[in-house]
Amino acid sequence: DTEVTQTPKHLVMGMTNKKSLKCEQHMGHRAMYWYKQKAKKPPELMFVYSYEKLSINESVPSRFSPECPNSSLLNLHLHALQPEDSALYLCASSRPTGRNTEAFFGQGTRLTVV
Amino acid sequence: DAKTTQPPSMDCAEGRAANLPCNHSTISGNEYVYWYRQIHSQGPQYIIHGLKNNETNEMASLIITEDRKSSTLILPHATLRDTAVYYCIVRVAGGGADGLTFGKGTHLIIQP
Repeated sequence: DTEVTQTPKHLVMGMTNKKSLKCEQHMGHRAMYWYKQKAKKPPELMFVYSYEKLSINESVPSRFSPECPNSSLLNLHLHALQPEDSALYLCASSRPTGRNTEAFFGQGTRLTVV
Repeated sequence: DAKTTQPPSMDCAEGRAANLPCNHSTISGNEYVYWYRQIHSQGPQYIIHGLKNNETNEMASLIITEDRKSSTLILPHATLRDTAVYYCIVRVAGGGADGLTFGKGTHLIIQP
């Protein structure tokens, strides 16, 4: 199983809503990532979890709150978002060390903030 | 900032070999060259990576120059499904969970 599963695929939320994005993998990867991708731009790293601990936060606003409840799951909690936060949110996983640390990506959640 | 330079777009005829160049003149001795691609509206997909020797897998071949300042990704028999944005990324393999820094990539369009 080399899949990273993200749910939901599409999400529309108001600026006062609270929602969560979910990501799951069963490859035994101990590094998991959140990326944000705006239209016609490359993905940008947001957060990295290594062995279930947050290791990198790329100065992401606090209205985005990541959580890694176990080694297979990664969540991104959203609260009080702005319309400019509308984007494709990608989850990825990889081995954290070793030669073969290539990342496997999910298909993303397309988020629209209204 | 990304450490690589790629042409913004390229065309290739279906069935021909697609050769995608990448310049990485400031690559360090412990950095690998990785290639990913992103088909429209999908997540990026890993293709191949290498340090200094040429590499080949079922998807592509990677040719790295002897001075390691540039590389070429080769798709030997391009199909319409290979139309995508191709990203060349340099990073330390096994260097911990440091994430990927994507540049602008090359939009490869396979023409029928």
